[in-house]
This record gives sequence, C-alpha cells and structure tokens, in this order.
Amino acid sequence: GEDVEQSLFLSVREGDSSVINCTYTDSSSTYLYWYKQEPGAGLQLLTYIFSNMDMKQDQRLTVLLNKKDKHLSLRIADTQTGDSAIYFCAVVRGSTLGRLYFGRGTQLTVWP
Amino acid sequence: ETGVTQSPTHLIKTRGQQVTLRCSSQSGHNTVSWYQQALGQGPQFIFQYYREEENGRGNFPPRFSGLQFPNYSSELNVNALELDDSALYLCASSFAGGQQETQYFGPGTRLLVL
Repeated sequence: GEDVEQSLFLSVREGDSSVINCTYTDSSSTYLYWYKQEPGAGLQLLTYIFSNMDMKQDQRLTVLLNKKDKHLSLRIADTQTGDSAIYFCAVVRGSTLGRLYFGRGTQLTVWP
Repeated sequence: ETGVTQSPTHLIKTRGQQVTLRCSSQSGHNTVSWYQQALGQGPQFIFQYYREEENGRGNFPPRFSGLQFPNYSSELNVNALELDDSALYLCASSFAGGQQETQYFGPGTRLLVL
C-alpha cells in the first residue's frame, strides 16, 4: 500500500467542523505535517506535530496523533468557504530525514 | 523576510527538449528540496541539496539533475523531456541543523510537455 493515505473528498457546511484523516505506514515517522494547496498555487504549511505529542492546537486547527494506529487527523473548527482547498498530510521518516512523503490530498469543499 | 520564489511560473516544452527550473530559498535557509506533483497526486520527492551537494534522491532517473549555489538558490534540470514529465514542480527550502527541518514551499513551476 501507499506510505500515506487520505480520503480524497470531504464536503461540509460553512460553520461546521471539518475533520480530515490520514494514515501512514512507517512507525519511525518523526514529524507529521499538514499543508494546504489552493487552486494553481504551491503548498502552504498549516501546522505540524512531533511524534512524541498526541495533540496540538493552533487557533481553529487541532491536530490529533494516534501513534499506535498510525493515524493523524486535522480538525478545522468553524469552517469557512475560504478553507476550500486540497489538504495534504506529509510525514518525515526516521530513516530518510529531510524527505517528505505525501498523501494524495483531501479536497475539502465548504458549502455556504 | 523573503519567501521561496520559483521561476518561471509556466513553461511549455516539446518532447526531447531540456528544461531548467530555478528556485530561491527563503532567507536563512540552507537546504533546498525539489518535488514533482502530477495532476491529482501528492508531491513526490525528487532530490534535496545541502551545502551544494545532493543529499538524498527519490525514485527519479538520472536525466533529472540539480545544482545548489553558494547563496543556497537551486536549479532543477530535466533532459530528454517526456510527456509524463508534465507536472507542477515545487521547490521547498528549510534549515538543516535545527531540531526539525520544516520545509516551506514556493508557488511552483507548471511544466507542460507536448
């Protein structure tokens, strides 16, 4: 299977919470990242979490990490139409520091 | 503080040609990584440069090569272009030597090979 997997699509109504999920295979993954990509643009770093943490909160964003299940999630509170974009999960493996392994991305659509 | 910049923004080439893409790293960063993002896919690691030398390479053939300059800017060269090389090429810069090396991405160069 793929190193990093994400569901491809998520639709939510404006004002609701969005939860984007990611699973990864390598238990030596050290840092785990969330990036946002708007149409025709590069990647914008949203947040990251180190593997010895299980939660990180940054304003509307909450990252949860379950190392046992190799599962990472990104919760966006009070989702706005401007949050519509593709969200990528990316991990750094312990064996190949400096190299990011990306999922295929989750297309988040926010309906007004 | 200047972010990561890339040039050109768009490029059209024909099969068999060669292309050079450029990247200027963020101020204070000493490492540059290149990624290829095909349509509908996540970015795939091509290689990374640190101290002007290749420091890790993904599953890409030797016709993908790079350079890093003393000012930490970088070039990606692709020879003998193939149709499948059509993609968004992303450059990311980071600082090696800290606790963790968060990579910050440029806007990308969109390459179309006809």
